[in-house]
Amino acid sequence: QVQLQQSGAELMKPGASVKISCKATGYTFSSYWIEWVKQRPGHGLEWIGEILPGSGSTNYNEKFKGKATFTADTSSNTAYMQLSSLTSEDSAVYYCARATGAWFAYWGQGTLVTVSA
Amino acid sequence: DIKMTQSPSSMYASLGERVTITCKASQDIKSYLSWYQQKPWKSPKTLIYYATSLADGVPSRFSGSGSGQDYSLTISSLESDDTATYYCLQHGESPPTFGAGTKLELK
Repeated sequence: QVQLQQSGAELMKPGASVKISCKATGYTFSSYWIEWVKQRPGHGLEWIGEILPGSGSTNYNEKFKGKATFTADTSSNTAYMQLSSLTSEDSAVYYCARATGAWFAYWGQGTLVTVSA
Repeated sequence: DIKMTQSPSSMYASLGERVTITCKASQDIKSYLSWYQQKPWKSPKTLIYYATSLADGVPSRFSGSGSGQDYSLTISSLESDDTATYYCLQHGESPPTFGAGTKLELK
């Protein structure tokens, strides 16, 4: 069955960078878009962007350009999102999800990123 | 960006009650609308895609309807396990955008 396993919680200092991983199993990793979503209390869900692992094609929400960078390693079936120049506004739970058509069919368990001095 | 106006933001309902949550898009999204259920400290779970299609394993008491700009999620007979926050997502135009959520609690 399709599973997305994300890396564990991170505690980061302001100004640092963090790289979150999302390991996929149960399907052909290269063929489906991996979506990244941010969730903060009081701010709902926000789409950060997506990557198609087979080609490396990416699409970013304008709001997150320069903040998020997506990569994917097809040898390990793992997608990554790096967040740079962290501030308190980046403290959130980040989800990866596998798209099927125009919906997010499968979700990872989420990775909590806390930015604090 | 397309704005998704979801209502109500919160609601109380009784066991067995019929519950309807709505999402209105700021423009026609051509049924590229999905619904998700999220329980506390859990990731979202897909309920409905393409406005009306039930995702695998989702109980038949959940249904979706709508077209154009207006969509709704209906729970035909509320069960205790349905207490959660529900979100709509449009993917008719990039960037995909979510509704603000509806928190559903038992009365």
